[in-house]
Amino acid sequence: AQSVTQLGSHVSVSEGALVLLRCNYSSSVPPYLFWYVQYPNQGLQLLLKYTSAATLVKGINGFEAEFKKSETSFHLTKPSAHMSDAAEYFCAVSDINTGTASKLTFGTGTRLQVTL
Amino acid sequence: DVKVTQSSRYLVKRTGEKVFLECVQDMDHENMFWYRQDPGLGLRLIYFSYDVKMKEKGDIPEGYSVSREKKERFSLILESASTNQTSMYLCASSLVAGVAGTYEQYFGPGTRLTVT
Repeated sequence: AQSVTQLGSHVSVSEGALVLLRCNYSSSVPPYLFWYVQYPNQGLQLLLKYTSAATLVKGINGFEAEFKKSETSFHLTKPSAHMSDAAEYFCAVSDINTGTASKLTFGTGTRLQVTL
Repeated sequence: DVKVTQSSRYLVKRTGEKVFLECVQDMDHENMFWYRQDPGLGLRLIYFSYDVKMKEKGDIPEGYSVSREKKERFSLILESASTNQTSMYLCASSLVAGVAGTYEQYFGPGTRLTVT
């Protein structure tokens, strides 16, 4: 079964600083990977996805993530944090062998705090 | 614009009550999912459906059932609500994974259920 590990349940950065949220996955074959963001009292919104095309994926709101097969990682970065980036972030992995259903396995989430 | 709606944002029920959570999507998606979200545990899949009247158990189906009579609607049923089912419930939908790869899931805003 697929699994996803997000290191750090809480990350705090200063406004303007680099954001780095870590995600490692376990998979016997290259998976499809996703980052979602959840703002307070809202559902999840897709930030970006990796589907075996370019290893560096650009998403919305200035975020990007790099797929590194050798490290089984898909870390999320943003060069300069903004107060509006404060939210919870979830990494998810899809098993490509799930037949007709695109099931995702989610990490436990990382809450990003942005301080002045 | 893609839209997944859930019948209630907040719900308070008593122990032993039968609870219905409704989810509707307007994107003609084949797949629909129900998750529960708890602090520190991320999202856990309860049930999913890949076609009308078709369903499969997810990781934590105990105490829940589902119904999908129409393509756009997926209902989660708590036959006899218990306090340990107090949680945030998220519905999602997606296209069937195609040749181009797995499609992302689109989420509703969530229902925060409290069972007293």
